[in-house]
Amino acid sequence: DIQMTQSPSSLSASVGDRVTITCRASQTIKNYLNWYRQEPGKAPKLLIFAASSLQSGVPSRFGGSGAGTDFTLTISSLQPEDFATYYCQQTYSTPPTFGQGTKVEIK
Amino acid sequence: EVQLLESGGGLVQPGGSLRLSCAASGFTFSNYGISWVRQAPGKGLEWVSGISGSGGTTYYADSVKGRFTISRDNSMDTLYLQMNSLRAEDTALYYCAKDRASGWRDGFDWGQGTLVTVSS
Repeated sequence: DIQMTQSPSSLSASVGDRVTITCRASQTIKNYLNWYRQEPGKAPKLLIFAASSLQSGVPSRFGGSGAGTDFTLTISSLQPEDFATYYCQQTYSTPPTFGQGTKVEIK
Repeated sequence: EVQLLESGGGLVQPGGSLRLSCAASGFTFSNYGISWVRQAPGKGLEWVSGISGSGGTTYYADSVKGRFTISRDNSMDTLYLQMNSLRAEDTALYYCAKDRASGWRDGFDWGQGTLVTVSS
């Protein structure tokens, strides 16, 4: 199975801050990489697919980049609803696997 | 609008069985593969099993292979997960997750989940 490693595991930030989360795959996954946000008590919601494509309806403050093994999710200006946990997911091979999550907390 | 409504969760003893259901609406059910993804309390996401739109191809995580069976009824727009020989480590919120496109490459749309607790 392909292992996905996110960093950091948690971070503290303020509204308006720029935040960057990284995700590394244990082998190349081309651009088969998705990002989700999970607010407390809710189901995950897709933000970015194919490494850099913004899902319809998702605010433009979210951006994704990377290819191969290293990927980045950037939130340009953190909003109150963005205090949540973020997961990357590879879909290059079966089983599709997730990173362990990055919890974004209020500073 | 895609809607996925899971049901069937509950408390079951170790070694017991449970069948989860996921009722779908808002899309042509037979055109899409669907998976079960679980989340243990306070933990991350773990893909459990998936099935193609026709039902002809199924996939399982090693952790559940031989104990869980995924199936679907395209006439009823419903997905199932038969869980046997349940263990404490199967305790989790189980989500139904639909492929957004052909195959799961571009991610999932999610239901709200149903809670399974395995405990004596």
